[in-house]
Amino acid sequence: VHLVESGGGLVQPGGSLRLSCAVSGLSFSSHSMNWVRQVPGRGLEWISYISSGSTTIYYSDSVKGRFTISRDNADNSLYLQMNSLRAEDTAVYYCARERYTYGIDYWGRGTLVTVAS
Amino acid sequence: DIQMTQSPSSLSASVGDRVTITCQATQDINNNLNWYQQKPGEAPQVLIFDASNLEAGVPSRFSGSGSGIDFTFTISGLEAEDTGTYYCQQFDDPPYTFGQGTKLEIK
Repeated sequence: VHLVESGGGLVQPGGSLRLSCAVSGLSFSSHSMNWVRQVPGRGLEWISYISSGSTTIYYSDSVKGRFTISRDNADNSLYLQMNSLRAEDTAVYYCARERYTYGIDYWGRGTLVTVAS
Repeated sequence: DIQMTQSPSSLSASVGDRVTITCQATQDINNNLNWYQQKPGEAPQVLIFDASNLEAGVPSRFSGSGSGIDFTFTISGLEAEDTGTYYCQQFDDPPYTFGQGTKLEIK
């Protein structure tokens, strides 16, 4: 079972990044997905949700209007487009699969995003 | 937004001890609460789903209870490998908030 995030790195304030999450070894297209982030040494922060068919999307207030979640069920991939990045967006970003109505069951290992000049 | 108040923020216990962590929601979240364990440098792993259901493959010393607003997570017979940080998360209503975490150390 693999959820593998990629696309993290160092970006300047105001810049953009696109994170990807490739899912293999488990069902993807029939499951909702989430992005969760964690500032190093701090707690977990949920930031976005997308339903299996992309019809329902939610964001936390901290990223609403700047981040966009999307998915490609044909490619078993989840994405997070991050624009207008701020220093406080620096964190490890995890993709996480939901098991129907039972919350998150699988997590990726995360990708680090650093926003600094 | 639903806030999750998790306590304690840290605790130290000995092998064999019984450990309890609580989470309180600011409104009724039914049973829509999971408990996760996170070890340093690793992703979280689900231990308990829907407040009281043990995830497959998770040792039976872990358990969860509660409904509505108040929830409890218990480790009965602490083992050295249980060190790490534990989080509750509600998924009843977005934003799907986490508790602040409980850092568990073994004496």
